[in-house]
Amino acid sequence: DSGVTQTPKHLITATGQRVTLRCSPRSGDLSVYWYQQSLDQGLQFLIQYYNGEERAKGNILERFSAQQFPDLHSELNLSSLELGDSALYFCASSVRTNQETQYFGPGTRLLVL
Amino acid sequence: QKEVEQDPGPLSVPEGAIVSLNCTYSNSAFQYFMWYRQYSRKGPELLMYTYSSGNKEDGRFTAQVDKSSKYISLFIRDSQPSDSATYLCAMRAINDYKLSFGAGTTVTVRA
Repeated sequence: DSGVTQTPKHLITATGQRVTLRCSPRSGDLSVYWYQQSLDQGLQFLIQYYNGEERAKGNILERFSAQQFPDLHSELNLSSLELGDSALYFCASSVRTNQETQYFGPGTRLLVL
Repeated sequence: QKEVEQDPGPLSVPEGAIVSLNCTYSNSAFQYFMWYRQYSRKGPELLMYTYSSGNKEDGRFTAQVDKSSKYISLFIRDSQPSDSATYLCAMRAINDYKLSFGAGTTVTVRA
């Protein structure tokens, strides 16, 4: 158990809908990272927050957004969902920004029908 | 061409064999190199990390980095059925926040 928690574990929704994925980092970790893992693209970095502020953006679509709250938990919002958004979404955390050791949560499996 | 290339396998070995995994990369700015293990339907778990070139050993696991060839390796000695998983290499530059991952190699260790 990495200490990173993610909810929900599974999510089934329809195209065009909006969902929110939640992540709680390890105790003491200030950085949160979001990744998408699909069969054809592998593990792709989406976005990073450090102590409430956005620090880096990767291959994140404009339909997706994230935020980190004062209690350091983070939410990833996915809107206008498409079939191709079906994937595993992982959250990871680390103590500092620019930290090589990232600890991953168990992931949220999203299925868009 | 992808920034990090990793043969997806699958790789099947008998118990006790040495498992050899590798990745190549194109970005010469990469300085931190990691190997993650991912069991089915679970999140990646950090196994090893190495800074710059050299070798690092931890129990049955040895990580090697050859920056001149842009090539990294992971060796698993005395492999066990519990080592059956997907192994992902990851790397990043010093002042970069994101990790770049390989596609992952699926390993099965047969009892």
